[in-house]
Amino acid sequence: GESVGLHLPTLSVQEGDNSIINCAYSNSASDYFIWYKQESGKGPQFIIDIRSNMDKRQGQRVTVLLNKTVKHLSLQIAASQPGDSAVYFCAEWEGTYKYIFGTGTRLKVLA
Amino acid sequence: GAGVSQSPRYKVAKRGQDVALRCDPISGHVSLFWYQQALGQGPEFLTYFQNEAQLDKSGLPSDRFFAERPEGSVSTLKIQRTQQEDSAVYLCASSLDYSGGGGYTFGSGTRLTVV
Repeated sequence: GESVGLHLPTLSVQEGDNSIINCAYSNSASDYFIWYKQESGKGPQFIIDIRSNMDKRQGQRVTVLLNKTVKHLSLQIAASQPGDSAVYFCAEWEGTYKYIFGTGTRLKVLA
Repeated sequence: GAGVSQSPRYKVAKRGQDVALRCDPISGHVSLFWYQQALGQGPEFLTYFQNEAQLDKSGLPSDRFFAERPEGSVSTLKIQRTQQEDSAVYLCASSLDYSGGGGYTFGSGTRLTVV
């Protein structure tokens, strides 16, 4: 389940289950988004991106959905594995040269 | 090198001490960014370089923070008179150009603890 508060929201799933991580972004004019994965002690790592002219994009075991009407992104991970355990961030392209990151969600995949 | 390298990986500083954090970006990458990541938070933008030019330093928290990239490759983030609220992971990232496509490549960060 999820918990929200002073700590990162956490999603716990069983190995093999699908994971869905959500993100709300702030700027309705943003036209490019990235999901990053950050493992403990490492920097964020690119997972998948999507442009605003798309509603859905699929990668290997991952799918990103974009709902521009409500400024919402989701990341779906199919058949979650313990190696998927990490913190996941959405990032929106600010329009010139930088990304604005969300607060992140911790995913725990239980073996 | 193959990735973005940051040093040191960990730094413990006494309050009031000056620190310098180093970033070696991917060779040939034009853009270089510094982000600050507090515990349990997402990365927050600090500053941006395009080659040796610092085009945006709007995210630097105070005038105690200073960044440079004199030859357009290696960058140093300096924090003077460190305070406890400076404790965070400092991430460096680089990208080939400034279009943003494909995102950045991040280093593993420097964890700064001010005691």
